[in-house]
Amino acid sequence: GENVEQHPSTLSVQEGDSAVIKCTYSDSASNYFPWYKQELGKGPQLIIDIRSNVGEKKDQRIAVTLNKTAKHFSLHITETQPEDSAVYFCAAKEDSWGKLQFGAGTQVVVTP
Amino acid sequence: NAGVTQTPKFRVLKTGQSMTLLCAQDMNHEYMYWYRQDPGMGLRLIHYSVGEGTTAKGEVPDGYNVSRLKKQNFLLGLESAAPSQTSVYFCASSFTMEREQFFGPGTRLTVL
Repeated sequence: GENVEQHPSTLSVQEGDSAVIKCTYSDSASNYFPWYKQELGKGPQLIIDIRSNVGEKKDQRIAVTLNKTAKHFSLHITETQPEDSAVYFCAAKEDSWGKLQFGAGTQVVVTP
Repeated sequence: NAGVTQTPKFRVLKTGQSMTLLCAQDMNHEYMYWYRQDPGMGLRLIHYSVGEGTTAKGEVPDGYNVSRLKKQNFLLGLESAAPSQTSVYFCASSFTMEREQFFGPGTRLTVL
């Protein structure tokens, strides 16, 4: 089955700097890669996703890149703000029927 | 729309006790999922349902049972709770397997 590894487990950045979280996956059949943000005491919420037919996707300060050959994908947050502090999870699945396999999560702390 | 709701929010059980966690969604989603979240392990799929009256095992199904008698509800049961089942439980739903999963706020369960 699919195995997703996520690094780093914790990330501390100064407000205004960029944050990068990296994930690798094992199943070459995976073709859908969502990122979820989980704020304290809440459930995860989808912030961006990418499918294997594109290499990069942006949404304002958030971008995701995908390298299918190397089987890794990354989340980039630019101009970080205190409200970006949360736990971020990457995930991977084979689109048509596969179940989401989550990474272990990254605790991001943005300090003013 | 309330989205995905979970009841209860917190619960403490003694070893051997039973309980049922209720998940409800008002988005007319076909697919519903139960995950558990443990520190350093991300979210792991316990059971899922692809429609009313159907259920299937996920990654960590042992010790849990589920039922989907109504499309909007997905119940997770623990027949004889064990300390290893101390966790935060999240319910999610999606319109199809390919679409975004929406998560509930979680239930924090402690088994003493």
